[in-house]
Parts: sequence; structure tokens; C-alpha cells
Amino acid sequence: DVQLVESGGGLVKPGGSLRVSCAASGFTFSTFTMNWFRQAPGKGLEWVSSLSGTSRYIYYADSVRGRFTISRDNAKNSLYLQMNSLRAEDTGLYFCARDRGTGNAPSHLDYWGQGTLVTVSS
Amino acid sequence: DIQMTQSPSSLSASVGDRVTITCRASQSVITWLAWYQQKPGKAPKSLIYGASSLQSGVPSRFSGSGSGTDFTLTISSLQPEDFATYYCQQYKSYPLTFGGGTRVEIK
Repeated sequence: DVQLVESGGGLVKPGGSLRVSCAASGFTFSTFTMNWFRQAPGKGLEWVSSLSGTSRYIYYADSVRGRFTISRDNAKNSLYLQMNSLRAEDTGLYFCARDRGTGNAPSHLDYWGQGTLVTVSS
Repeated sequence: DIQMTQSPSSLSASVGDRVTITCRASQSVITWLAWYQQKPGKAPKSLIYGASSLQSGVPSRFSGSGSGTDFTLTISSLQPEDFATYYCQQYKSYPLTFGGGTRVEIK
């Protein structure tokens, strides 16, 4: 079965850094584009970043470009999001999700992790 | 960026009711449109992709239709486990964007 398990969330002060991870299993990880999404408390879903299977294609939301870095280690079946210069508005539940697409074209998201909570507060 | 607008933002319905949720895109997304269900504190669950294709394992009471800019999610006979929030999402281009969500509540 496909499983995605996020970890690494926590409480961090404004301006601080945090790295969240997503451990994947049950499928050939290197084949799929992977994504990060987030959801602020009581709000809707927001796309954060996407990374193709070979790491050739990388995309960021304007709200995080220059502060967040997505990466993956296909040997470890893991996806990462390095978050720097964190702001209060970055607070939320961070989900990783598998994209059915390959290469540089997005597709629908067929599997999601349960999320890891990131709180940015002094 | 492609803006996605859902309506209504919430609705109250009874078990057995037929429920329809609409989603409008600010420009054509052809049929690159998905629907997700989310329950409180849980991950979103894929229901529909390609505007009308049912994700494996999803009950047939869920259906999707539409193309271009106007789309519909229909639940033919609402069940107790269907009370949740539903989101549409376009994947025609980056940035990926979602509608604001429709909360389906018990009447």
C-alpha cells in the first residue's frame, strides 16, 4: 500500500528555520513528482512546491519562493522541505502528496500524507 | 494564475439527499480538474480526476462533470460518512490552485 508519512514539524520563532520530511513507501518513489501543500488553521488548501522524480523540474508558490527549498533523496524514498525566514503566516499543517504526473506537467494528487504541524510564533 | 471559485461555501443536507457542488475556473482548464474530500484533522482524499473519472475505491454515488471553466461534483444519495469539506483543484498549470471549499453539514 502507498504510504506517505510526514515528520519534523514543531514550534519555531519568526525568522527561524525548520525542515520537514516525508517518508514514502509502497511505490517506486523516483518515478513520481512529489508536492508539498499546507493548510492554515481553519482555512483551505494551498499548494507550496512541486519536484519532479529526477529533480529536474522544481516549482514554488510565490509566497515561499526564495525562502523554502524542496528536495528529495530517491535512495531514501524521502521528500524534504527546508523552510527559512519563517513567518507567522507560514503556520499550518504541511502535507506531502504524490502527483500522478511525470516530468514538467502537473497531474492530480492521488495519495496524501496525514500532515505535520508547523507553528511560527514568538 | 488560475482562480478557482466554489459554490456554495457550505450547505446543509440530509442523509439520502442529492447534493451538487459547483466549481468555476477563471480560464479554461479543459478537463484538468480534480475533486477532494477532507474531514477535520485528516488528509484530503482524492475523489475525481480528469473532471469525471472516479478514483479507484471511491463509491459510485460520487460523480463529476464539466469542461472548460464550469464543473460539478454530485453526490447522488448522501451518506453519513460524506459529511466533510470538498475542494476542487485545477492542474492545468502551475501554480496549482484550489477552490475555497464547500462544507457539507448534517441538516
